[in-house]
Amino acid sequence: KQEVTQIPAALSVPEGENLVLNCSFTDSAIYNLQWFRQDPGKGLTSLLLIQSSQREQTSGRLNASLDKSSGRSTLYIAASQPGDSATYLCAVAGGFKTIFGAGTRLFVKA
Amino acid sequence: GAGVSQSPSNKVTEKGKDVELRCDPISGHTALYWYRQSLGQGLEFLIYFQGNSAPDKSGLPSDRFSAERTGGSVSTLTIQRTQQEDSAVYLCASSATTVLTEAFFGQGTRLTVV
Repeated sequence: KQEVTQIPAALSVPEGENLVLNCSFTDSAIYNLQWFRQDPGKGLTSLLLIQSSQREQTSGRLNASLDKSSGRSTLYIAASQPGDSATYLCAVAGGFKTIFGAGTRLFVKA
Repeated sequence: GAGVSQSPSNKVTEKGKDVELRCDPISGHTALYWYRQSLGQGLEFLIYFQGNSAPDKSGLPSDRFSAERTGGSVSTLTIQRTQQEDSAVYLCASSATTVLTEAFFGQGTRLTVV
């Protein structure tokens, strides 16, 4: 049974800091891994999707890596801004079944 | 039932026809989400209902897509004039809170447009 863990559960940083969010999963037989952000009262915004054959994806200030063999993914946010404050979710897909982590609540202080 | 129920489980339709997909959330859950997953792709958010608030429709890909939630319970996702690129699995989830990780997903409706 796939289990997805995200560390830390919450993070508060001053504006401008670079930060790393971690996601680990127990079953390496995954189809893809996706990072989302969720703002209060909203649905999900997809940030980055990494297929199982890929090692990383980049979009703007975001970089996500995937190490399937060790069951880990990291989301790197460069030069954080107050607008980055949200909950960041890691989701691991095995076929059409997607398992979410509990999320990391990020607060970036101005 | 104990979980989120979606119907039909499979739907094959001709290009240009309209389709309706139904979601019965867990009783008492105020939050309801629609997602779709195309072959080889991740989850794509479509629309989010929370209680009596105006829905978050920011994920709907075109004006051919619409959704409603009657009486705060059952939701229907309607796709008009279907196109082949609409073929995907459409997933519904409900939650007692606004936290997605506490949401329960249905088994999905596999839509094939031919």
